[in-house]
Order: sequence, then C-alpha cells, then structure tokens
Amino acid sequence: DIQMTQSPSSLSASVGDRVTITCRASQGISNYLAWFQQKPGKAPKSLIYAASSLHSGVPSKFSGSGSGTDFTLTISSLQPEDSATYYCQQYDAYPITFGQGTRLEIK
Amino acid sequence: DVQLLESGGDLVQPGWSLRLSCAASGFTFSSFAMNWVRQAPGKGLEWVSTISAGGANTYYADSVKGRFTISRDNSKNTLYLQMNSLRAEDTAVYYCARGLKARGIISYDYWGQGTLVTVSS
Repeated sequence: DIQMTQSPSSLSASVGDRVTITCRASQGISNYLAWFQQKPGKAPKSLIYAASSLHSGVPSKFSGSGSGTDFTLTISSLQPEDSATYYCQQYDAYPITFGQGTRLEIK
Repeated sequence: DVQLLESGGDLVQPGWSLRLSCAASGFTFSSFAMNWVRQAPGKGLEWVSTISAGGANTYYADSVKGRFTISRDNSKNTLYLQMNSLRAEDTAVYYCARGLKARGIISYDYWGQGTLVTVSS
C-alpha cells in the first residue's frame, strides 16, 4: 500500500498569514493527489485534484503543487474560516490512501 | 445542485448486518463512479469501497473485503453498502462521495453529510 505522510500534524497561524502543508508519498504517484478540508462535525470538502487543479467554487487562495512523491498545499491570506483539518489522498493505486491529517488553527 | 444523502446508520451488535444507502440527486447518477469513505471517532479518513458508473467494477479496502458489498441502482439513483459481520472497529461515520469520472482510480468532488454506524454490545 502507498503510505501518505503529512507534515506538520498541526500548526497555528495568524489571520493574513500564508501556510504550507506537505504531503509525501511512499512511492511515486505522478500527480494523482487530492486535498480535502474538514471542519469539526462536518463532511470533508474537496479542494484540489490532480495535485494542482482546484474544484469548482474553491477560492484561489488555495493552491497545490508537486509531482511524484512530494506535494504541497498552500493557503494564503488566512481567515478564521480556514481553521480545519486538511487531508491529502493518493489515487494512483488501490487501496486509495489518505494522509493522517494536518490540523490548522487560526490564532 | 448535487446532493448526496446517506441513511441507514444505526447502533448494532457485533456480528450483525446493516445496509447503508446514499440517495443522489442533481446529476446524472449513472455517469459517475461512487465511493464510500469512513471516519472512526476522532480519527482520519479511510477509503472503504468504490463502484464504477455501470456497477461492473468494484473495489474494497482489505479491512472490509469479504464482509462489505457495494452496489448501486442507477434506476433509483441510489448507492448502497451492505455491511455484514460487523465489528467494533467498523464504528465510524460513513460518507458517500461522487467520483470524478465513470471508472478508474479516482478522487472525489461531492460528499454526503455522513451516517453514523456504531457497533457495540
């Protein structure tokens, strides 16, 4: 199985900051990488697919990059509503696997 | 608007069976693969199963293979997950999610609100 490792596990940032979350795959997955946002008690929301393509309706403050084994999610101009847990997911091979999540707190 | 509405979650005893449903609306259901993803209390997301648009191809996580069956009724725009021989470790919120295309290994765009399955004696 392909293991997905996110870093950091949690981070705290201020309103207006820009943050980057990293996701590393245990083997190359081309660009078959997605990012999801989940707020407490809510269903996940799809942000990015194919490493860098934004889903419809997702604001451009979210951006993704990477290929192969190393990927990043960058969130700019942080606002209180960006407080959430973010997950990466590989869909290069079954079983589909997720990272363990990164909890983002807005100070 | 795309809507996915899960139902069927319940409190059951170990070894029991349960069937989850996901009613879809707002899109051509038969054109998209569908998925089940679960989340145990306080834990991360875990892929459970995927079914292709026509229903011919199904895929399962090893943790549920042989116990769970994914299926769909395209005439009713509904996705199902038949869960047998339930274990305590199956306790989770189960989400259905629409795939990005009809078949293949895919990610998701829309998610339902989830339904809670609790397995406990």
